[in-house]
Amino acid sequence: EDQVTQSPEALRLQEGESSSLNCSYTVSGLRGLFWYRQDPGKGPEFLFTLYSAGEEKEKERLKATLTKKESFLHITAPKPEDSATYLCAVQARAGTALIFGKGTTLSVSS
Amino acid sequence: DSGVTQTPKHLITATGQRVTLRCSPRSGDLSVYWYQQSLDQGLQFLIQYYNGEERAKGNILERFSAQQFPDLHSELNLSSLELGDSALYFCASSGDSSSKAFFGQGTRLTVV
Repeated sequence: EDQVTQSPEALRLQEGESSSLNCSYTVSGLRGLFWYRQDPGKGPEFLFTLYSAGEEKEKERLKATLTKKESFLHITAPKPEDSATYLCAVQARAGTALIFGKGTTLSVSS
Repeated sequence: DSGVTQTPKHLITATGQRVTLRCSPRSGDLSVYWYQQSLDQGLQFLIQYYNGEERAKGNILERFSAQQFPDLHSELNLSSLELGDSALYFCASSGDSSSKAFFGQGTRLTVV
């Protein structure tokens, strides 16, 4: 059974304090690994797709990396507006549903 | 704006009732996915439709059903509602050549 585990469940940072979120997965053949951001009461917003081990993607203060068993979302010098829940998901085959982890809720205080 | 539209945004109903949630996918997207999000379970995949046909089922209860119409909009029907069905229900869509899914803003269902 495909599974995604995210850690930590919650993370509190001071503004400017860099950190990383972890996503470990077991899947029968990985088509893609996805990161989404979700604000309270809103739908998940797409951030990145990673397809193969060693791949990296960057967007502003966020950088996602992928190994054969896990992915990291690195947040550099976060700002309060980066506060949200970050969701990781895997897709086993093209066109199939994404299977999500429970997310990491990030709070950044000024 | 993801381009995926869900209605209604909020729904309050009594136990035992039946409701219908509606989703309009992004223009041109053939796949529609339904997810349920509760505080303790996270985003749970319910069901997927592709161009009008059911393609995959996840953790969908027998009391729940869905369909996708010729114009590609989709409806999720929830019947014999229980208190535990209270949750956010999200619809997502994806295109033929793209794996990433775009989510709507969800319908918050409260069963009282």
